[in-house]
Amino acid sequence: EAGVVQSPRYKIIEKKQPVAFWCNPISGHNTLYWYRQNLGQGPELLIRYENEEAVDDSQLPKDRFSAERLKGVDSTLKIQPAELGDSAVYLCASSPSNPTDGYTFGSGTRLTVV
Amino acid sequence: RKEVEQDPGPFNVPEGATVAFNCTYSNSASQSFFWYRQDCRKEPKLLMSVYSSGNEDGRFTAQLNRASQYISLLIRDSKLSDSATYLCAVLNDYKLSFGAGTTVTVRA
Repeated sequence: EAGVVQSPRYKIIEKKQPVAFWCNPISGHNTLYWYRQNLGQGPELLIRYENEEAVDDSQLPKDRFSAERLKGVDSTLKIQPAELGDSAVYLCASSPSNPTDGYTFGSGTRLTVV
Repeated sequence: RKEVEQDPGPFNVPEGATVAFNCTYSNSASQSFFWYRQDCRKEPKLLMSVYSSGNEDGRFTAQLNRASQYISLLIRDSKLSDSATYLCAVLNDYKLSFGAGTTVTVRA
């Protein structure tokens, strides 16, 4: 079974530029999450989708971050414009609707803003 | 106060030693608990769920203390390959919250 697939694996951009990350969840997983992990910290939730609906985006900085999951399968997370403080690893995860067995993470996108 | 707090370590132990560490959580209504393992520059991977009665998976033992709101992980007979960061995770209303991780280094 394919796991959660993310791309790109690494991204280096200059500040003020836009950037986008892509995620394809495990087949059949209705719920998709975007997390951000800063160095030395645990992952922090940015947004959670149930199918195509964003059911929790309270931690998403909406002035510069946006996300979509148009057909309830894969998802994109966008930052525009990027700031130096956005440098982090962006992790996508998926789970069944009731995540009693936790989430499965993708390999992440390591973003460096210079 | 953070939702989930962990002792960051690092714990440096010799091969064969036993190492244990805790994680505390703030929401008494938390439903499920997990330990994830994260290797350097890799994604977190589920190590084990933590059940109310405690549970073992080989050399790993997890315990839950709801009264004191902490979970623990014990690693027996440590191997070099156990060197990693261990993340505690707590589920509330479908949201998984993580601690900052405890770093374990096993030396030969």
